Amino acid sequence: DGGITQSPKYLFRKEGQNVTLSCEQNLNHDAMYWYRQDPGQGLRLIYYSQIVNDFQKGDIAEGYSVSREKKESFPLTVTSAQKNPTAFYLCASSPSGAMGYGYTFGSGTRLTVV
Amino acid sequence: AQSVTQLDSQVPVFEEAPVELRCNYSSSVSVYLFWYVQYPNQGLQLLLKYLSGSTLVKSINGFEAEFNKSQTSFHLRKPSVHISDTAEYFCAVSGVNQAGTALIFGKGTTLSVSS
Repeated sequence: DGGITQSPKYLFRKEGQNVTLSCEQNLNHDAMYWYRQDPGQGLRLIYYSQIVNDFQKGDIAEGYSVSREKKESFPLTVTSAQKNPTAFYLCASSPSGAMGYGYTFGSGTRLTVV
Repeated sequence: AQSVTQLDSQVPVFEEAPVELRCNYSSSVSVYLFWYVQYPNQGLQLLLKYLSGSTLVKSINGFEAEFNKSQTSFHLRKPSVHISDTAEYFCAVSGVNQAGTALIFGKGTTLSVSS
């Protein structure tokens, strides 16, 4: 079955560490997105990519970095510059230009700073 | 620019009672509208969507939503809720933001069903 796989499901980070969250999709979707979710704040867009080797900052990109070397993969690195990284992170994908399709979401990664 | 407002952040109800989760949107163009559901520690799942045609759309688990163009609303309803409906619900509208063609999400409504 096609879908989006996020790993790991739970991740713990020490102060000053960089960590990378994985997002892989086998839906042949062009566009991929990273969101951060905090209680009561809904979904906030971190980065998005509409095509391989191209990505753009969203609303809260500071302290994060991404790459899009393959269509299937869109990893997110949470750097030590992100001062409050504890949150639930969601990856999503969609066909390019298909406004009626909506997004397909992964199951999320919960990141906790210890 | 498009925007979505979910009018209630939390909705507590008793099992078997009816429920309505309210969603208003703003857009100057034709839109597509979506409701997503998120169970604890999971991703969002598409519940139902309105693209065109009949303004009343239904999901397989008893939810329905009605597109009202004059009131720019897309409220979600269920005549009788179950404990298992406890989740967070997000309304979304297709639009254009810095990500190009994208979904614009509301801040979510937490539905809590108790016995």
